[in-house]
Amino acid sequence: LAKTTQPISMDSYEGQEVNITCSHNNIATNDYITWYQQFPSQGPRFIIQGYKTKVTNEVASLFIPADRKSSTLSLPRVSLSDTAVYYCLVGDGGSGTYKYIFGTGTRLKVLA
Amino acid sequence: DAGVIQSPRHEVTEMGQEVTLRCKPISGHDYLFWYRQTMMRGLELLIYFNNNVPIDDSGMPEDRFSAKMPNASFSTLKIQPSEPRDSAVYFCASRAGEYNEKLFFGSGTQLSVL
Repeated sequence: LAKTTQPISMDSYEGQEVNITCSHNNIATNDYITWYQQFPSQGPRFIIQGYKTKVTNEVASLFIPADRKSSTLSLPRVSLSDTAVYYCLVGDGGSGTYKYIFGTGTRLKVLA
Repeated sequence: DAGVIQSPRHEVTEMGQEVTLRCKPISGHDYLFWYRQTMMRGLELLIYFNNNVPIDDSGMPEDRFSAKMPNASFSTLKIQPSEPRDSAVYFCASRAGEYNEKLFFGSGTQLSVL
């Protein structure tokens, strides 16, 4: 399983765009990149998933460069309610052995 | 669907007692995962099932921990005997299919062993 590295914490102000980068140097050909969000006292929640280039949904965008050794989660115009821990996961769900290993995550604090 | 349902929400017990945590996955999901979360170790995968069969239990910390899935709609995680270092939040999650499907987590059980 590819190991991921993320910043431990980040601070931002309301209304700003936040970019969280995840490094995954040994990502395999079949691996997808998935991001989860966790609020206090709740289980993680799926945000976005991608394989290459750019993926966008109603919550966030995911940018993946051509070499796929890193990815960036972009949260547009954050609000106080976006304060949470964000996890980057890399793995292949197709083999059935995708164990969804969570790293330390990035603790995002949005300030007023 | 009501999502993944875990019970109890909170559990306080004394060292040496047996603890049973329960999980009802989302209907139709054929994968079920048990995680433990602590400040020191983060989210740890304990065990996961596919079609009610345990596939990988390499994360189960020791023999005091056991998990079962008697049917597609119910799973238990048992700790016997419990110890203070087992205090953590235990999450259950489920997913459908095999390929890159997202995990859905329950609200967790906050376990305190005194």
